[in-house]
Amino acid sequence: DGGITQSPKYLFRKEGQNVTLSCEQNLNHDAMYWYRQDPGQGLRLIYYSQIVNDFQKGDIAEGYSVSREKKESFPLTVTSAQKNPTAFYLCASSIFIRGADTQYFGPGTRLTVL
Amino acid sequence: AQSVAQPEDQVNVAEGNPLTVKCTYSVSGNPYLFWYVQYPNRGLQFLLKYITGDNLVKGSYGFEAEFNKSQTSFHLKKPSALVSDSALYFCAVRDSDRGSTLGRLYFGRGTQLTVWP
Repeated sequence: DGGITQSPKYLFRKEGQNVTLSCEQNLNHDAMYWYRQDPGQGLRLIYYSQIVNDFQKGDIAEGYSVSREKKESFPLTVTSAQKNPTAFYLCASSIFIRGADTQYFGPGTRLTVL
Repeated sequence: AQSVAQPEDQVNVAEGNPLTVKCTYSVSGNPYLFWYVQYPNRGLQFLLKYITGDNLVKGSYGFEAEFNKSQTSFHLKKPSALVSDSALYFCAVRDSDRGSTLGRLYFGRGTQLTVWP
């Protein structure tokens, strides 16, 4: 987990609220990613970003938004439009070396909707 | 389309015995393959990867994986399991021929490994 921090570790949200999950890395990595993990479903990609001020939707972007204003930061907002947001959220980063890059993960944020 | 299959949801093995966690993949070009491990309520930890070269890849904590192109497999192995190896293991793949875009990985659903004393 070293070099990538996610906060908070646990987050509780009421229905209808937006919440923002923080992801910071001090590895000088170019690319950053957000995944959602649900039991038995593996990891699903929400958004990813190769460089500052640029990001792309992953497989399950609906109800989520991101920004990449700084290289080291990639916050994820879970909006009220996300129908089932209770999950474990993982942030990752990698150096953008074509093909051989390895993704390194943060410790995760567990979001629960009350 | 790129995909990964981990055919076993759960693998149980006695401490000291060899372990194998299976992974098969599908890509249109040459694969880059990865194994990660996850302990409860933690992020994923990188174990090893195959990019090119020797089909037997050695990684962290005594784990190794064997790339088999004809069987499109990348099984994770360890000669002697430890109780502390009990965790959730993920296989992931990306296509080396995808050109530009970044390290987009496709993950399997995970295999829960339990090593009993």
